Amino acid sequence: DGGITQSPKYLFRKEGQNVTLSCEQNLNHDAMYWYRQDPGQGLRLIYYSQIVNDFQKGDIAEGYSVSREKKESFPLTVTSAQKNPTAFYLCATGGAITSTDTQYFGPGTRLTVL
Amino acid sequence: QKEVEQDPGPLSVPEGAIVSLNCTYSNSAFQYFMWYRQYSRKGPELLMYTYSSGNKEDGRFTAQVDKSSKYISLFIRDSQPSDSATYLCAMSKSGGGADGLTFGKGTHLIIQP
Repeated sequence: DGGITQSPKYLFRKEGQNVTLSCEQNLNHDAMYWYRQDPGQGLRLIYYSQIVNDFQKGDIAEGYSVSREKKESFPLTVTSAQKNPTAFYLCATGGAITSTDTQYFGPGTRLTVL
Repeated sequence: QKEVEQDPGPLSVPEGAIVSLNCTYSNSAFQYFMWYRQYSRKGPELLMYTYSSGNKEDGRFTAQVDKSSKYISLFIRDSQPSDSATYLCAMSKSGGGADGLTFGKGTHLIIQP
């Protein structure tokens, strides 16, 4: 996970609450990504951002929101509209679209809805 | 049909054996292929990243890509108990995975001492 930090490591949420997961990087990567991992389902893309102040929906964006005000930071908000938010959330960073490099992952945040 | 198919296992082999892990995919637009290793409750760690068909070797790991068959493999030589983990294949249509990666479900590998 190198220069990618995610906080908190564990997060508990009551139904109806919004929560925000933090992702910070010091790798100077342009692009940042959020994935969700459920048991037996692999990783699925929620949102991604290739430059500051711009982001795109991934495959499962409903019930989530993001912002990209700084290159180093890409927080994810899990809203009360997300029907089944309990999962392991992973942030990744990568180079620009012309990059020959690929994505690197942070340590993850485990969210549990009580 | 899922875009990426990967047998979830578990796959159990004795220490020192050669391990073969595989994924198939259906979309010929995928051009970049990755293998990640994930220990329980940790983030995935990049092992191999390949573009062209053929083999790429890094230490005990060899990645193989056959675009004509839409089939990728990861071989682990001289397997160790510390190799016990879940192995995820991933692929993308653009360089750097700029539009996001598509993952297989992961194969749970157990190396028996």
